[in-house]
Amino acid sequence: AQTVTQSQPEMSVQEAETVTLSCTYDTSESDYYLFWYKQPPSRQMILVIRQEAYKQQNATENRFSVNFQKAAKSFSLKISDSQLGDAAMYFCAYRSADMGQLTFGSGTQLTVLP
Amino acid sequence: ETGVTQTPRHLVMGMTNKKSLKCEQHLGHNAMYWYKQSAKKPLELMFVYSLEERVENNSVPSRFSPECPNSSHLFLHLHTLQPEDSALYLCASSQDLLGYSSGSSYEQYFGPGTRLTVT
Repeated sequence: AQTVTQSQPEMSVQEAETVTLSCTYDTSESDYYLFWYKQPPSRQMILVIRQEAYKQQNATENRFSVNFQKAAKSFSLKISDSQLGDAAMYFCAYRSADMGQLTFGSGTQLTVLP
Repeated sequence: ETGVTQTPRHLVMGMTNKKSLKCEQHLGHNAMYWYKQSAKKPLELMFVYSLEERVENNSVPSRFSPECPNSSHLFLHLHTLQPEDSALYLCASSQDLLGYSSGSSYEQYFGPGTRLTVT
């Protein structure tokens, strides 16, 4: 079974600075997808960014980018120019190419300091 | 309405009550999911439906009973719950269950959740 580990329960960043959230996963599969979801206080789970394992290029969405290291099974999220609205719980998630369900990490609570 | 909606947003029920949670997706998706989010625990997948057929049941107690009458609606029927069932219940949908073609990540879109409290 796949597992997803987020080793940082809490992180904080100064507004306008950059922060990196860590995620590692364990799998024996070669084809899969990785996601970062954001859950603000409203509890709505929002997709931030996704990465296909077969793509070597790291995904980027505006201020959000990932560092995908397939051999190391690492998938970190970098948030540049942090904004107050980025404060939320961030979840890393794994999806096998053969199975539809997501496996989530335990989350990292990000605080943005003004 | 767009996206994934859930009703009610908050529910308080006694252990002997029967209630239902409703999820509706307006995205034309074929797969729907129920997740449970408890405090300080990762999200737990409860049920998966694809084209109205249940394809996954992750050892969920029988006091939770899902129903998927069509591809747009998903229900979670609750009866004789326990206090430890208090949690946020999230519904999600995706275009399809499996990524048959490369490049199809079939990401899941979530509803706002139902905060359930069992007294």
